[in-house]
Amino acid sequence: DTAVSQTPKYLVTQMGNDKSIKCEQNLGHDTMYWYKQDSKKFLKIMFSYNNKELIINETVPNRFSPKSPDKAHLNLHINSLELGDSAVYFCASSQASHENQPQHFGDGTRLSIL
Amino acid sequence: AQSVTQLGSHVSVSEGALVLLRCNYSSSVPPYLFWYVQYPNQGLQLLLKYTTGATLVKGINGFEAEFKKSETSFHLTKPSAHMSDAAEYFCAVSDRDTGRRALTFGSGTRLQVQP
Repeated sequence: DTAVSQTPKYLVTQMGNDKSIKCEQNLGHDTMYWYKQDSKKFLKIMFSYNNKELIINETVPNRFSPKSPDKAHLNLHINSLELGDSAVYFCASSQASHENQPQHFGDGTRLSIL
Repeated sequence: AQSVTQLGSHVSVSEGALVLLRCNYSSSVPPYLFWYVQYPNQGLQLLLKYTTGATLVKGINGFEAEFKKSETSFHLTKPSAHMSDAAEYFCAVSDRDTGRRALTFGSGTRLQVQP
């Protein structure tokens, strides 16, 4: 049973295209996150949702738009893809009860922009 | 803003040797502290966490870490390295009582285990 699943695992596309990444968790968590891992392996928070409400938006370009249809899903749509968007995007979830709850990560979506 | 420093982007040890991966945090209020491991082409897996109480915490795969407030450190250790420990290790923090919940990560340390 996959706890946090992301699709697709790999995404290769051209500059200027629009693409979406989907994330689902079956852990019953109420907080979900998107992180970006760059080519140097550095991980940075992009967005966080709690019960479908956006609570963190870390100065991410407007081209990135998260959507949470319910608390088990958090999708990421990216418009007008740029070369600098090439990275691995990780979805994560946690129980919102407290900040000490660990986050559970998906296996990542490797986005390559040609 | 909170920051996390991991000294040594690459650490190489022999199989059976002690593993020591260093992590220091910046805030004056001790945050919640986590160590995650990332195997190639996989997501991050929680190794251990410190929230409160005993400062020496034990995690999975024989790893442990000690929280030292005076040194603002949370170094990860394992007495005897195994080939399967080769991976990228990330120290992360979460602010206490702010409601923010997002993790701030260190830059990672790649552990190589030589036979």
